[in-house]
Amino acid sequence: GAVVSQHPSRVICKSGTSVKIECRSLDFQATTMFWYRQFPKKSLMLMATSNEGSKATYEQGVEKDKFLINHASLTLSTLTVTSAHPEDSSFYICSAGDRGRVYGYTFGSGTRLTVV
Amino acid sequence: GENVEQHPSTLSVQEGDSAVIKCTYSDSASNYFPWYKQELGKRPQLIIDIRSNVGEKKDQRIAVTLNKTAKHFSLHITETQPEDSAVYFCAATDPFTGGGNKLTFGTGTQLKVEL
Repeated sequence: GAVVSQHPSRVICKSGTSVKIECRSLDFQATTMFWYRQFPKKSLMLMATSNEGSKATYEQGVEKDKFLINHASLTLSTLTVTSAHPEDSSFYICSAGDRGRVYGYTFGSGTRLTVV
Repeated sequence: GENVEQHPSTLSVQEGDSAVIKCTYSDSASNYFPWYKQELGKRPQLIIDIRSNVGEKKDQRIAVTLNKTAKHFSLHITETQPEDSAVYFCAATDPFTGGGNKLTFGTGTQLKVEL
């Protein structure tokens, strides 16, 4: 079945530094990548949608200059949290869509970010 | 945009009993409704889904019902087991919109199955 590899699974960084999270589709072409953020005991909140080769579409209230998304190839999408602050600490998870599977969503394993 | 409400937020049942989680959605254009199970720190796992052209779907102990007129759908788990304990999310989408397969999630239900 479709697999999305997400790295790192856990990261601790200092305030003010940047962190890059990668999601790779291993056996299919991820034409669309959705990036979610999940606070403890809360639901998944969509941050942005990216399509390969084009700029990401950000949800209302999400700072595009803080959460940089790159989807340069059909197998790789990255989310960079710039100038991280403790309030950015959260669980970040990607979900890949494939044009060939209208109803298919493949989630990455998630990244637990802790900013100290 | 779509808004999905989910109830209850927590649910405790005795092992062997049934559990029911309910969701309502706002966008009549939504036509695909998946249910996910998420264990702590893990990715959501699809457990069952339903499309708008059917009213009910069953897979062993799990079933989902959909009422398009009322815009609500429900997850039913029978003969619950301790390993069913997790957070369950409903979601809704119209896969054919220009925005692609953007899922809108419910707020989640913490299910606890007690021995």
